[in-house]
Amino acid sequence: DAKTTQPPSMDCAEGRAANLPCNHSTISGNEYVYWYRQIHSQGPQYIIHGLKNNETNEMASLIITEDRKSSTLILPHATLRDTAVYYCIVREDNAGNMLTFGGGTRLMVKP
Amino acid sequence: EPEVTQTPSHQVTQMGQEVILRCVPISNHLYFYWYRQILGQKVEFLVSFYNNEISEKSEIFDDQFSVERPDGSNFTLKIRSTKLEDSAMYFCASGWTSVSTDTQYFGPGTRLTVL
Repeated sequence: DAKTTQPPSMDCAEGRAANLPCNHSTISGNEYVYWYRQIHSQGPQYIIHGLKNNETNEMASLIITEDRKSSTLILPHATLRDTAVYYCIVREDNAGNMLTFGGGTRLMVKP
Repeated sequence: EPEVTQTPSHQVTQMGQEVILRCVPISNHLYFYWYRQILGQKVEFLVSFYNNEISEKSEIFDDQFSVERPDGSNFTLKIRSTKLEDSAMYFCASGWTSVSTDTQYFGPGTRLTVL
């Protein structure tokens, strides 16, 4: 079972920042937080990952709380093409390397 | 930018028939995976493959399924005798290493329809 909890859906206005929360209260010290998204029925697309420090790349920023029990994915200027299901995944070290997907958050970016 | 490719994009088959889904992982990646997603449901792990053998598999991956890396570039998933409930999107993924710091990259998927 997924070790994360995400709201099932969120709306965001085009051009505004989208802040997607994720709870992972049972995360352990060597587990990374990964974010993927799935646009319609396409293959999951990697966005970003982190352990404890905040991370930023060309797609998004990842803010992880100091206790690591929750994180927020930030899309700084959401566009209509960012409409997708966003998955927060806690990836265990040496756990068969599989990714365990939950239900994710369906983000709808509106004009 | 390198990407995982999958063929065909859509496969329609009759129940009981064998199907082979094909994937070309990213060059130089060593770890390969299959996942599936039944319509409206979660993405589910099927199997991981490294060094020409299965490293882990889920309970979904029963004797009807097999994987193979027949040459240096392709990675295949075979379903021996398809059932109606095998209808799903099948995603191939690849990664460079197995550690949790490494990213898995997914292909666009093959939609399998079993009639």
